[in-house]
Amino acid sequence: DTAVSQTPKYLVTQMGNDKSIKCEQNLGHDTMYWYKQDSKKFLKIMFSYNNKELIINETVPNRFSPKSPDKAHLNLHINSLELGDSAVYFCASSQDPRAVMGTQYFGPGTRLLVL
Amino acid sequence: AQSVSQHNHHVILSEAASLELGCNYSYGGTVNLFWYVQYPGQHLQLLLKYFSGDPLVKGIKGFEAEFIKSKFSFNLRKPSVQWSDTAEYFCAVRSGNTGKLIFGQGTTLQVKP
Repeated sequence: DTAVSQTPKYLVTQMGNDKSIKCEQNLGHDTMYWYKQDSKKFLKIMFSYNNKELIINETVPNRFSPKSPDKAHLNLHINSLELGDSAVYFCASSQDPRAVMGTQYFGPGTRLLVL
Repeated sequence: AQSVSQHNHHVILSEAASLELGCNYSYGGTVNLFWYVQYPGQHLQLLLKYFSGDPLVKGIKGFEAEFIKSKFSFNLRKPSVQWSDTAEYFCAVRSGNTGKLIFGQGTTLQVKP
């Protein structure tokens, strides 16, 4: 009965490669998010989709492209991986973010290491 | 720009000691406030949240937080910590209508048995 799930849990890859991280939520939420947690544990939002529409797009390199095939899924594709992309990536979901009950629920994280 | 500041980066306490973690934010409008906890190797879990009403909010595991609007603060408290409270604690603010959360830099709490 996992609420927000991510695959893979760990990802080790070489610089220059292209990789994807998948996220799925079974909470019936309309909104999904991607956050990046750096080595100092600082969390920063990257993207958010509401009903498959992009609503938040922070200053993230173009190499990062989110894709939402439906409102239960939000995948993150990263092209030409760089050393600085090494981090833990968290997916989250919530009901309508404008709603009072728009609490975000986080997935277990994907630990990406670029060598 | 909106920001969240957590003053204590690393706190070490003995079991049964009282805890207070500071959190200040810079946004002047209507805000929703959250405390999340991240246990070692795990994902973020919601401890408590403030949307409106009583500024003293009670959360899970005996935690509480007080919203003081005049001080732009939302400090987290627990009267008696346990070893199992060892974790990272993140304060976050949500503003606007996009759901965007702005996180503080986190506080590492280490509780010695």
